[in-house]
Amino acid sequence: GENVEQHPSTLSVQEGDSAVIKCTYSDSASNYFPWYKQELGKGPQLIIDIRSNVGEKKDQRIAVTLNKTAKHFSLHITETQPEDSAVYFCAAPTGGYQKVTFGTGTKLQVIP
Amino acid sequence: KAGVTQTPRYLIKTRGQQVTLSCSPISGHRSVSWYQQTPGQGLQFLFEYFSETQRNKGNFPGRFSGRQFSNSRSEMNVSTLELGDSALYLCASSFAVGSYNEQFFGPGTRLTVL
Repeated sequence: GENVEQHPSTLSVQEGDSAVIKCTYSDSASNYFPWYKQELGKGPQLIIDIRSNVGEKKDQRIAVTLNKTAKHFSLHITETQPEDSAVYFCAAPTGGYQKVTFGTGTKLQVIP
Repeated sequence: KAGVTQTPRYLIKTRGQQVTLSCSPISGHRSVSWYQQTPGQGLQFLFEYFSETQRNKGNFPGRFSGRQFSNSRSEMNVSTLELGDSALYLCASSFAVGSYNEQFFGPGTRLTVL
């Protein structure tokens, strides 16, 4: 099955700086890579996703890059704000349909 | 449109009891997936239902079961509760036609087993 590794587990940045979270996956057949943000007391919320036919996708301050050869993908948040503080999860499909394997999560703290 | 709703939000049970959790997906979504979230194991897939049929299952014991109704609402049941079942149980709905679709998560049900 799919194995998804995520680093770092915690990340502290100053407001306005950039944050980068990296994930690696094991199944070369995986073709969809979502990123979720989970705030305290809430369920995960999709913030950006990328399919394997593109190498990069941007949405305002958030971008995701994908390297299929190396089997890793990264989340980039620029100009971080305190409201970006949350736990971020990467994921990759496993076993068909809607089943996904999640990374272990990164707790991001943006210091004002 | 309304998001995914889960009831109850909090539940306290004792070992050996059973529990049923409910999930109402976004209108029009036919797929409902269930996940268990714990500090030690993270987010783990339990099962997915689509049009009242379970079409995928994670590595959980048979004490964990689920079902889906014709209106796409889903329930999951845990029998003979153990202390280790204490977790946040999340459901996610998606349109799920064709390739993998975006999943929309509910706020979860926090289960505490004493």
